[in-house]
Amino acid sequence: EAQVTQNPRYLITVTGKKLTVTCSQNMNHEYMSWYRQDPGLGLRQIYYSMNVEVTDKGDVPEGYKVSRKEKRNFPLILESPSPNQTSLYFCASNKEVDTGELFFGEGSRLTVL
Amino acid sequence: AQKITQTQPGMFVQEKEAVTLDCTYDTSDPSYGLFWYKQPSSGEMIFLIYQGSYDQQNATEGRYSLNFQKARKSANLVISASQLGDSAMYFCAMRGLRTSGSRLTFGEGTQLTVNP
Repeated sequence: EAQVTQNPRYLITVTGKKLTVTCSQNMNHEYMSWYRQDPGLGLRQIYYSMNVEVTDKGDVPEGYKVSRKEKRNFPLILESPSPNQTSLYFCASNKEVDTGELFFGEGSRLTVL
Repeated sequence: AQKITQTQPGMFVQEKEAVTLDCTYDTSDPSYGLFWYKQPSSGEMIFLIYQGSYDQQNATEGRYSLNFQKARKSANLVISASQLGDSAMYFCAMRGLRTSGSRLTFGEGTQLTVNP
């Protein structure tokens, strides 16, 4: 089954404690990205990757890091989480840059105390 | 820059009736794509329908159709014969040809409630 898998799905952590949200896709997609969803703001892109070792900032990259060492994986790293990073996070992938839908993971709800 | 506007924070519809969810957009890209996603209370994002800016006909997918009016820059979603399972948050999104990173720009969403 074609899917994007994120872990963990739910996490409560404290300010400053580094965490990583993993993302893996099994569709051999070149393009992967991370979004955060906040009430009243829709989804906003954090980082994206066009291929292995190629990443770039999206609209709201502050406080986040990413890496793309393998085509299928695109982890999101919060080096020192803060309460304003409490949000619902989505990983997404797509095959073509210009066309085609984004396939989303199930979401990871993060709370930073 | 791209912008999506969904002016209806919440909508209510009776079961079996049709409902239109509004979406207007703004972009300087000559070529772009428009998307609608559904987000039920469980949280996942479900792709519903896609319309390319150069497509001659409005997109349809089962009970979903996209009323695309290019001159007015609108891409409204029409759901026919509403079902209780259609109750969810609906997001309109777009991607321009020149947009880096394959980024989708999302609207704020419309919460649809289908009443029995």
